[in-house]
Formats: sequence, C-alpha cells, structure tokens
Amino acid sequence: GENVEQHPSTLSVQEGDSAVIKCTYSDSASNYFPWYKQELGKGPQLIIDIRSNVGEKKDQRIAVTLNKTAKHFSLHITETQPEDSAVYFCAARERGSSFGNEKLTFGTGTRLTIIP
Amino acid sequence: KAGVTQTPRYLIKTRGQQVTLSCSPISGHRSVSWYQQTPGQGLQFLFEYFSETQRNKGNFPGRFSGRQFSNSRSEMNVSTLELGDSALYLCASSPGEFGGYTFGSGTRLTVV
Repeated sequence: GENVEQHPSTLSVQEGDSAVIKCTYSDSASNYFPWYKQELGKGPQLIIDIRSNVGEKKDQRIAVTLNKTAKHFSLHITETQPEDSAVYFCAARERGSSFGNEKLTFGTGTRLTIIP
Repeated sequence: KAGVTQTPRYLIKTRGQQVTLSCSPISGHRSVSWYQQTPGQGLQFLFEYFSETQRNKGNFPGRFSGRQFSNSRSEMNVSTLELGDSALYLCASSPGEFGGYTFGSGTRLTVV
C-alpha cells in the first residue's frame, strides 16, 4: 500500500516569511495529492490539491508542486500570517485496480507556528 | 451549501460498551469515508462507502463497522469498546471518483 512521509514535524517561521512543507509517497500509481489544514477542535480543511497530470498549482499565497519522477510534492505558503498557524497534512490517493478502490493515505502532519 | 455534519460532537463511553456515530455528507455527495485520528497513529483510514456499498476497508478489527443509507448518510459502529479506541473520528464526503474530500468536524470519543 501507499506510504506518505512528511517533513518537518514542526516548523516555526517569522510572520511575513515563507514556509515549505515536503512530502514523499511510495506508490507511483497515486494520482491525487491534497493538502489539509487542521485547527484546534476542527476537522481537516482542504486548502489546495494537485493531480498527477499537473506540476504546479497556485492559489493566492499557497502553492503546491509535484515531482512525479521523484515522487514528492511540497506545500509553499508565502507572506505567512498568524492565522496560518495550524497543523498541515499532506495526503496521497491510491489509484486502485478497480473503480472505487481508492483511499487517502495521510502524512504525519506538520505543526506550523507563525511568530508575530 | 451545508458542509459535512457529524453527530454527536463528543461522547464518553465505558469499556465494553458499543457506540454509533453519524455522518451526513454534503448534498449530492455519494461517497463517505471514515478516518480515525489519534496523536500516536495520525489519520488512519477505516472504510469508504459509495451508494450503500462498502468499497474499501482499512486495517481495523471487525469491531469497527459501518453502513450507508439510501440518502447517503452514514453511520459507523464500534462494539466492545477498548481504551485505545479513544480518538477523533472523522467523516469525509466526496462527489465521486474525481472529487476532493470534505471533512466534518469529527466526533471526539473518549473510552473510560
């Protein structure tokens, strides 16, 4: 099955600086890579995703890059703000052998702290 | 558009009891997945339902079961509760094969 590794486990950056979180995956058949932000007491919230036929995607201050050859993808947050403080999870969706045989495998999470 | 609704938000149960958690997906979404979140194991996949059929199952014991109704609402049941079942149980809904997953706020289960 799929295995997703995420680094770093904790990250502190000065407000206004950039933050980068990296993930690697093991199954070359995985085709969908979402990133989630989880705040205390809440469920994970999808912030950006990328499919395997795309190398980069941006949404305002957030961007995700995917390198299929190396099997890694990264989350980039620019001009960080205090409200960006949260736990971030990457995930990979395995493409099963038949329709519906799919599931998300999550990384272990990165606790991001923005220092004012 | 209403999001994913999970009830109840909090539960305290005693070892050996059973519990049923409920999830109402986003209107029009036919796929519902369940995940267990703990500090030690992170987010782990339990099972996924699509049109009332279980399509995929994670590596959890048979005490964990679920079902989906014709209106796409889903329930998961845990029987013979153990202390280690204490966790945040999350439900995610998806429109289908090419859709993303939207999570609910979860049910915090504490087993004492």
